[in-house]
Amino acid sequence: NAGVTQTPKFQVLKTGQSMTLQCAQDMNHEYMSWYRQDPGMGLRLIHYSVGAGITDQGEVPNGYNVSRSTTEDFPLRLLSAAPSQTSVYFCASSYSGGANYGYTFGSGTRLTVV
Amino acid sequence: KNEVEQSPQNLTAQEGEFITINCSYSVGISALHWLQQHPGGGIVSLFMLSSGKKKHGRLIATINIQEKHSSLHITASHPRDSAVYICAVRTETSGSRLTFGEGTQLTVNP
Repeated sequence: NAGVTQTPKFQVLKTGQSMTLQCAQDMNHEYMSWYRQDPGMGLRLIHYSVGAGITDQGEVPNGYNVSRSTTEDFPLRLLSAAPSQTSVYFCASSYSGGANYGYTFGSGTRLTVV
Repeated sequence: KNEVEQSPQNLTAQEGEFITINCSYSVGISALHWLQQHPGGGIVSLFMLSSGKKKHGRLIATINIQEKHSSLHITASHPRDSAVYICAVRTETSGSRLTFGEGTQLTVNP
């Protein structure tokens, strides 16, 4: 099925560990993005990409790295996990170049850092 | 002040009631999106608007560009409509990036 696939769905990390959240889409979308969702706050943009080889920071990039080596994949790396990174993470994708395109979201990754 | 404000934050309704959720924004936009998130679930796109009104089943979304305001209406509400409804805007200067409201938690009781 076409869409955005996020893995894993759940993860528990110890402080200081690193991990990669995977995001893949098969719709040939140029734009991909990572958000975190915390109680009482709207979704906040971590990093985004407008195409392979192009990434940029969002509102809350500290502690996270991304790369975009292919159109399909946009992994999010936590370099040294901290309890403040406990959150639900969503990946989303869209076509670029114009406002008339919707967004497709992944099912989310619930991350707990202890 | 957030660029996107939603009201109410929480809404409880009885099955069958007509529901309205509001979204106001303070920036120029190229499109506004309404999203739905069920408890523990992913996020689904309901509508994308740049003008006027759209309808899908019992859901209706309207936007007034001059007043910088959008509403999401649910007619004949049902317990399965219980979810968080999120307003998000694509601003004129943000490219493909979205700015989100905090969401409205809707609970529809049978």
